[in-house]
Amino acid sequence: EDQVTQSPEALRLQEGESSSLNCSYTVSGLRGLFWYRQDPGKGPEFLFTLYSAGEEKEKERLKATLTKKESFLHITAPKPEDSATYLCAVLVPGNTPLVFGKGTRLSVIA
Amino acid sequence: DTEVTQTPKHLVMGMTNKKSLKCEQHMGHRAMYWYKQKAKKPPELMFVYSYEKLSINESVPSRFSPECPNSSLLNLHLHALQPEDSALYLCASSQDQGWGYEQYFGPGTRLTVT
Repeated sequence: EDQVTQSPEALRLQEGESSSLNCSYTVSGLRGLFWYRQDPGKGPEFLFTLYSAGEEKEKERLKATLTKKESFLHITAPKPEDSATYLCAVLVPGNTPLVFGKGTRLSVIA
Repeated sequence: DTEVTQTPKHLVMGMTNKKSLKCEQHMGHRAMYWYKQKAKKPPELMFVYSYEKLSINESVPSRFSPECPNSSLLNLHLHALQPEDSALYLCASSQDQGWGYEQYFGPGTRLTVT
């Protein structure tokens, strides 16, 4: 069965304290790995798509990387406005839905 | 523009009511999705429409009835809901179904069933 596991479940950082979120997956034939940001009571906001091991994408203070078994979302010098839940999801071949991880709740304290 | 719109933002309905949720996108996407999300849980897929035809129904109770009137619109008709159906209902769209296409989500409808 395809599995996506995110860690940690929750992370509390001081403003400016860089860290990484992890998304590990056990799927057959990855078609894409997606990172989303979700604020409370709102829909997920698309951040990145990664397709193959070694790929990296950057946006402002966020950088996503991908290996054959996991993806990292690196947050450099975070600010309080980066506080949100970060969701990882994978797509596998065939007529199958996205498989979501349970998310990492990030709190950045000023 | 990567906007998916949803109406209403909030909905309170009784268990005997009939209501509808609406979703619209103008990105030319050919796949549209309904998700249900409970607090502190990831989105849970309900339905997928691909080229205006129902592609996936994740064994959703018949009190939820999807409809895709055209390639830009997606509705979710609600009837005789239960309190446990209270949740954030999310619509999403993607260029096509499958192969690495990212899904763009709307802001959601917060549904409360009394």
